[in-house]
Amino acid sequence: AQSVTQLDSHVSVSEGTPVLLRCNYSSSYSPSLFWYVQHPNKGLQLLLKYTSAATLVKGINGFEAEFKKSETSFHLTKPSAHMSDAAEYFCVVSGGVGRGYQKVTFGTGTKLQVIP
Amino acid sequence: DAMVIQNPRYQVTQFGKPVTLSCSQTLNHNVMYWYQQKSSQAPKLLFHYYDKDFNNEADTPDNFQSRRPNTSFCFLDIRSPGLGDAAMYLCATSRGGDLREQYFGPGTRLTVT
Repeated sequence: AQSVTQLDSHVSVSEGTPVLLRCNYSSSYSPSLFWYVQHPNKGLQLLLKYTSAATLVKGINGFEAEFKKSETSFHLTKPSAHMSDAAEYFCVVSGGVGRGYQKVTFGTGTKLQVIP
Repeated sequence: DAMVIQNPRYQVTQFGKPVTLSCSQTLNHNVMYWYQQKSSQAPKLLFHYYDKDFNNEADTPDNFQSRRPNTSFCFLDIRSPGLGDAAMYLCATSRGGDLREQYFGPGTRLTVT
């Protein structure tokens, strides 16, 4: 069994200030973890992924996330928010056994607002 | 560029009138997924194909069907759309195995009148 909890449904930051979007997970497997971003009326774009290599993962657009097994967390951060970062962000856990299909579980999403 | 393409981007159908949404991919990925996403909600997996093997989620209504005639194409058929089926429908692909990420298409927004 696996689950994902995004602790904040909405986050509001001022442009130029740090961003923190929180994600906790549980999984019976050794999971892979992903962050996706979705701009209004668009598909989802992969920001970054953790797949059991380095625990600090760098992604696109200056985002990074740290996998902390002891805390079962995978929080997304960015040092300085830009107006174009305003979007919805989904934390996703993927894991499983068998033929290769990995069960994918989405968090409920965090809407990031960036204030000029 | 290799990608996931969804057509049409916007689809309007009448209550009860069958509708088909299409997805194609140039990534040559084994796995194709269909998600339903309603406003301000996370995507909800409807079903997926691993190669030719169809896997339905337990809570996907019978009204939703899918076909995958070849590796590149996958279709979502809604046999009798209801007002509650109005949503964004997202197609995604993945290579399969080794916990690989999904690649998403831009989505088709379905309106039911």
